Amino acid sequence: GENVEQHPSTLSVQEGDSAVIKCTYSDSASNYFPWYKQELGKGPQLIIDIRSNVGEKKDQRIAVTLNKTAKHFSLHITETQPEDSAVYFCAASLASGGGADGLTFGKGTHLIIQP
Amino acid sequence: DAMVIQNPRYQVTQFGKPVTLSCSQTLNHNVMYWYQQKSSQAPKLLFHYYDKDFNNEADTPDNFQSRRPNTSFCFLDIRSPGLGDAAMYLCATSRDPSRDSEQFFGPGTRLTVL
Repeated sequence: GENVEQHPSTLSVQEGDSAVIKCTYSDSASNYFPWYKQELGKGPQLIIDIRSNVGEKKDQRIAVTLNKTAKHFSLHITETQPEDSAVYFCAASLASGGGADGLTFGKGTHLIIQP
Repeated sequence: DAMVIQNPRYQVTQFGKPVTLSCSQTLNHNVMYWYQQKSSQAPKLLFHYYDKDFNNEADTPDNFQSRRPNTSFCFLDIRSPGLGDAAMYLCATSRDPSRDSEQFFGPGTRLTVL
């Protein structure tokens, strides 16, 4: 099955600086890579996703890059703000036609924005 | 607003006493998932329904069962909860993974086993 590794487990950055979280996956057939933000006591919320036919995707301060050859993808947050503090999970999925697949999550990164 | 709803948000049960967690959705999605998330860990998929078809993950204990009586509702039954089953249980939905795999999560039910 799929295995997703995520680094770092904890990331502390100064407000206004950029944050980068990296993930690798094992199954070369995986083709959908979402990122979730989870605040304390809440369910994960999708913040951005990328599919394997795209190398980069950006949404305001958040961007994701995908390198299918190397099987890794990264989340970039620019101009970080205190409300960005949360646990971030990467995930991978094989969205095969005709079937349903759950997500395989990384272990999460606790992002701390220092004021 | 269309959403995924989980009830209750907090559930306390006794060791060995059966418990049922519920999930409902107004998104009219075909797929519903149950994940277990232990403290400071990633969510782990337990099983999912694609319409009425039930799919169990290979390492999901037999102690965990699920029911989906209709499109909107899905239940997680824990037949004999142990201390190790204390966790956050997350329900998620997706429209049709063959085209759009985006999963929408509910707020979760935190289960405590005494």
